[in-house]
Amino acid sequence: DVQLEESGGDLVQPGGSLRLSCVASGFTFSRYWMTWVRQAPGKGLERVAAMNQGGGEMFYADSMKGRFTISRDNAKNSLFLHMSSLGAEDTAVYFCTRVYGSYGVMDVWGQGTTVTVSS
Amino acid sequence: EIVLTQSPATLSLSPGERATLSCRAGQSVTNYLAWYQQKPGQPPRLLIYDASSRATGIPARFSGSGSGTDFTLTISSLEPEDFAVYYCQHRGSFGGGTKVEIK
Repeated sequence: DVQLEESGGDLVQPGGSLRLSCVASGFTFSRYWMTWVRQAPGKGLERVAAMNQGGGEMFYADSMKGRFTISRDNAKNSLFLHMSSLGAEDTAVYFCTRVYGSYGVMDVWGQGTTVTVSS
Repeated sequence: EIVLTQSPATLSLSPGERATLSCRAGQSVTNYLAWYQQKPGQPPRLLIYDASSRATGIPARFSGSGSGTDFTLTISSLEPEDFAVYYCQHRGSFGGGTKVEIK
């Protein structure tokens, strides 16, 4: 089965940092763009960051630039999101997704990991 | 990023009725548009890509149409499990969602 499993979500204080992980299985991880998408409580979907197959090309949402860093380890079938300077507005469920095709279609989603920023 | 505007925000319908959801792009995306379904407590699920192609395992009652800036997701006859929130997407942009609720 094609699967993505996120981990690393936690309760963190404002201004803190956190690293999320996503482990892929059931497909050749190194052949796909991957993304992180988040969803604040009761809100819609927001793409946080995206990375190409080799890790040399990446995109970030404007509000995350300079604070979030996406990375991957193809040898370990893993995607990461390092988040710093966290604020209450970053409280959300963070999903790892696989990208299919040329315009970012997300055909496989993990169950998500919850990040709560609060003192 | 292209702005995607979905309407209506909420659609109140009964099982068996037809649902028509709209997504409008701020500029042409040709046919590069996807639709997702999300139920409470679950991740989104890909329904439609390339505006009109059904993803694997998606029932035929779901169909997509449109090109350029105007797109439609149609559910021909609502099943109980279809009451959910639907999002359109192009690259890094998502629409705000349409909630299909039971009338």
